[in-house]
Amino acid sequence: AQKVTQAQTEISVVEKEDVTLDCVYETRDTTYYLFWYKQPPSGELVFLIRRNSFDEQNEISGRYSWNFQKSTSSFNFTITASQVVDSAVYFCALSEAVGGTSYGKLTFGQGTILTVHP
Amino acid sequence: EPEVTQTPSHQVTQMGQEVILRCVPISNHLYFYWYRQILGQKVEFLVSFYNNEISEKSEIFDDQFSVERPDGSNFTLKIRSTKLEDSAMYFCASSLTWGEKLFFGSGTQLSVL
Repeated sequence: AQKVTQAQTEISVVEKEDVTLDCVYETRDTTYYLFWYKQPPSGELVFLIRRNSFDEQNEISGRYSWNFQKSTSSFNFTITASQVVDSAVYFCALSEAVGGTSYGKLTFGQGTILTVHP
Repeated sequence: EPEVTQTPSHQVTQMGQEVILRCVPISNHLYFYWYRQILGQKVEFLVSFYNNEISEKSEIFDDQFSVERPDGSNFTLKIRSTKLEDSAMYFCASSLTWGEKLFFGSGTQLSVL
């Protein structure tokens, strides 16, 4: 069965610090998708990134970057020069591709509460 | 950017009552989902729906739960006889295809008293 572990329950940083959120996953499939979602205090789930298991290239989007390492089953998320608006709960999620397709069943980690202080 | 819309944002009900949570997915999406999040816990998959039938459901989605796409735009989750432990935030989501990113609505906070 698939599993996602976000070992960091809460992280507190001061504005402009860099912060890395860890995500470790377990799956028996060779084809799967990894996601990061942000949940701000308003409660909605905001998509950040989707990564195919065959694409191990790291990605950078502005202040956000993601490090996907299949060898360690990790998909870590780094925020550079954090801002107060980055304060939110961040969820890592995994979706297995069943029979070559994915039924959209995301398995979420427990989430990491990030607080950025001014 | 198009949005998934959920109504109501808050729903309070008495134990044993039926509730219907409503969602309007993004118009050209074909795949629909319900997830829930009990306060302080992780988001959990309930059900996925495609072509007017359930594709997959979790253990949580027992006989008390049902989903329906009554017309071309709405997607509903019905809980037939609510229990205290059904209190949670319920999220509707939709996607264009399988494996693509899920767009989530803002959620319906269900409180069962």
